[in-house]
Amino acid sequence: SQTIHQWPATLVQPVGSPLSLECTVEGTSNPNLYWYRQAAGRGLQLLFYSVGIGQISSEVPQNLSASRPQDRQFILSSKKLLLSDSGFYLCAWSNNRSPLHFGNGTRLTVT
Amino acid sequence: KNQVEQSPQSLIILEGKNCTLQCNYTVSPFSNLRWYKQDTGRGPVSLTIMTFSENTKSNGRYTATLDADTKQSSLHITASQLSDSASYICVVSDDGNKLVFGAGTILRVKS
Repeated sequence: SQTIHQWPATLVQPVGSPLSLECTVEGTSNPNLYWYRQAAGRGLQLLFYSVGIGQISSEVPQNLSASRPQDRQFILSSKKLLLSDSGFYLCAWSNNRSPLHFGNGTRLTVT
Repeated sequence: KNQVEQSPQSLIILEGKNCTLQCNYTVSPFSNLRWYKQDTGRGPVSLTIMTFSENTKSNGRYTATLDADTKQSSLHITASQLSDSASYICVVSDDGNKLVFGAGTILRVKS
């Protein structure tokens, strides 16, 4: 069966520090991978999606970047965090035969 | 503009009671509609997915309905349990696989 792992679960980082959130998927090959941000009281906002290794599409301009160094690995990064980067970040995967499957999320607090 | 509106924003019900959550959308062209359940601090989990031709779909005590003419969907929860306390998110996909998320309805079931 397919599983998705996302870590860390919570993270507190100072303004200006770098960020690296990692997401890996098991049990499927060539999945579509996504990074979402969820703000309180609002719907999920798509940040990045990837249909293959090295292929990244950005939905909104921002302080973050994404990379897909391996087929089932998706990384969300920032060189210098801003206060506004605080939020709940969700990684997800899908393929032609399934709906989105989400990881358990990372609660990021930038102080 | 493609939008998904959910109501109510939050809801409190007694254990054992039924409830219905609403989702109205303007997404066009329409491909499918999904309901997700998101426990606090966790990623959303898919409950149902419905295409244009499906009016009703059940998953245990959860029953989703879809009226593609009026662009409305509902999620009915029967005989609620404490474990049903969560956020319920309606997600609509267009035929280009772009997903539009509602802000969710927060349900609290109390004993």
